[in-house]
Amino acid sequence: GQNIDQPTEMTATEGAIVQINCTYQTSGFNGLFWYQQHAGEAPTFLSYNVLDGLEEKGRFSSFLSRSKGYSYLLLKELQMKDSASYLCAVRDSNYQLIWGAGTKLIIKP
Amino acid sequence: IAGITQAPTSQILAAGRRMTLRCTQDMRHNAMYWYRQDLGLGLRLIHYSNTAGTTGKGEVPDGYSVSRANTDDFPLTLASAVPSQTSVYFCATGTSGGVNEQFFGPGTRLTVL
Repeated sequence: GQNIDQPTEMTATEGAIVQINCTYQTSGFNGLFWYQQHAGEAPTFLSYNVLDGLEEKGRFSSFLSRSKGYSYLLLKELQMKDSASYLCAVRDSNYQLIWGAGTKLIIKP
Repeated sequence: IAGITQAPTSQILAAGRRMTLRCTQDMRHNAMYWYRQDLGLGLRLIHYSNTAGTTGKGEVPDGYSVSRANTDDFPLTLASAVPSQTSVYFCATGTSGGVNEQFFGPGTRLTVL
């Protein structure tokens, strides 16, 4: 079966750095996505990785290792507005997205 | 219209009733999707459409139907609602090339009693 695993909840301090991990087992791989979802709102696209390595976009970076079935999202200089759920999704061999349950990130002052 | 709209925003429905959730986009994206989101579970694909006139089944299609008469509209119908269909429903669109990320509508919160 297809499976995406990510921690249910994480807590971090404002101004710090946090790493959210995602491991996956899917039928085929055509890219990995990270989305941010604030409570009561729709998911919004953050990043995309299809090749191994690090993609940096401002305070957010995403890493992919296809051989290990592993990705992480790195958030630097945390702000209170970063309190949200972060969703990992893999595009499978049918070009459909398989979604993890999301990681709720709580930022404390 | 700006982006993707969904209607209604929320709805309480008696079991056995028929309900259509509406989704309209003005982004001219070919692909459209319907997901449900339940606490503790990832987004699950119900139905999708790669282009106007075509539809396909996702992971959890039972009890739902869709149509895609044109590029902009992608309604989701629950023929006879059951309590297990209580969920938040998101419509999404996708481009055909490049990264092909999906863009989400604001969602419909549906409660079936």
